[in-house]
Amino acid sequence: ETGVTQSPTHLIKTRGQQVTLRCSSQSGHNTVSWYQQALGQGPQFIFQYYREEENGRGNFPPRFSGLQFPNYSSELNVNALELDDSALYLCASSLGWGDAFFGQGTRLTVV
Amino acid sequence: AQKVTQAQTEISVVEKEDVTLDCVYETRDTTYYLFWYKQPPSGELVFLIRRNSFDEQNEISGRYSWNFQKSTSSFNFTITASQVVDSAVYFCALSPYGGSQGNLIFGKGTKLSVKP
Repeated sequence: ETGVTQSPTHLIKTRGQQVTLRCSSQSGHNTVSWYQQALGQGPQFIFQYYREEENGRGNFPPRFSGLQFPNYSSELNVNALELDDSALYLCASSLGWGDAFFGQGTRLTVV
Repeated sequence: AQKVTQAQTEISVVEKEDVTLDCVYETRDTTYYLFWYKQPPSGELVFLIRRNSFDEQNEISGRYSWNFQKSTSSFNFTITASQVVDSAVYFCALSPYGGSQGNLIFGKGTKLSVKP
């Protein structure tokens, strides 16, 4: 186990709703990255947070937003959910530019 | 453009066979890192190796070995004497920022099935 925990493990939402996913980083890690993995695809980078500031963003619309807290845990928020948002959402934590450790992900289904 | 291609979608082998997973990448950066991850059915990505663009030495770790060739932009992964526990999806990834794993570009993955 990596020490990175994500919650919830699964959830089902209706199109148009909002969702918040949570990630607790490994102890001592100050950087959190979020990825979206559609079925049968590789993960795609959403954004990264370093010491509570956004530190890079992939090609995702503004309705994907995030937060990092003083304890370095993080949230991913998605507004106005679309069917295509159905995916596995992965969180990875690291100490700066060091090796990143992934959580087991949150499986989001939008119906 | 940065891109990682894993042409093999699925591979099926019998236990104890050797298997090679191919990875071809594209980048204009002179400094970059390449990675391999394993994703078992549980979903968690398990880090296997990181290789920087200046180190073309092959690496061996137990039954795993990696062959990095800049001339062909390839970073292939070989499992020797495969075991059922090796069954998983394997991803090759590229980091364009010289080591940061915060912005990894992944291939689509190769699903490996090892049958007893």
